[in-house]
Amino acid sequence: DVKVTQSSRYLVKRTGEKVFLECVQDMDHENMFWYRQDPGLGLRLIYFSYDVKMKEKGDIPEGYSVSREKKERFSLILESASTNQTSMYLCASSLGALETQYFGPGTRLLVL
Amino acid sequence: DQQVKQNSPSLSVQEGRISILNCDYTNSMFDYFLWYKKYPAEGPTFLISISSIKDKNEDGRFTVFLNKSAKHLSLHIVPSQPGDSAVYFCAASARGFGGSQGNLIFGKGTKLSVKP
Repeated sequence: DVKVTQSSRYLVKRTGEKVFLECVQDMDHENMFWYRQDPGLGLRLIYFSYDVKMKEKGDIPEGYSVSREKKERFSLILESASTNQTSMYLCASSLGALETQYFGPGTRLLVL
Repeated sequence: DQQVKQNSPSLSVQEGRISILNCDYTNSMFDYFLWYKKYPAEGPTFLISISSIKDKNEDGRFTVFLNKSAKHLSLHIVPSQPGDSAVYFCAASARGFGGSQGNLIFGKGTKLSVKP
């Protein structure tokens, strides 16, 4: 079974804070993704990575950066959190670029 | 511009009856379609997929139908069970075109409620 874990289930941060969200997968997947889910908007892709140290912008990368130093770990960074970044953040991984994505449980982030 | 549309935000069905969730897409390059199911406070879980070379794929109580000419797919759940109550996301990708075109484009989701 694929296991994708995220460092926190719930997080509360203040405006302007730097926020790190971590994602780890244990299936040696090449590809990892960060999405955010907002009511009425579905899942929107923030960033993705096809390999270690490689990253590509998704549909809504503004205000975010990512880091992939090891194959199993993909971090999402909010450089200076803002209230409009309050959301559910979902990490996913897949074996190949075109394979089924498997999701972690999500991190619900509240920025005050 | 939404490339994947789920026009019904919610659907309510009686236990034992059929649930039909609909999804429309606009990008003719899409060649692979998936349905994910999401419970509150959990990540989406993969349910079923279909390639554009097929028009139907079945897995137990779940069947996905694809109508390429209408750019429409639907998920049928028969019989519906209370445990099926969740948000269902339709997703599509252009796998045959490679690169980032293989990324998934998600619809906004349909919340299914199955009443006992």
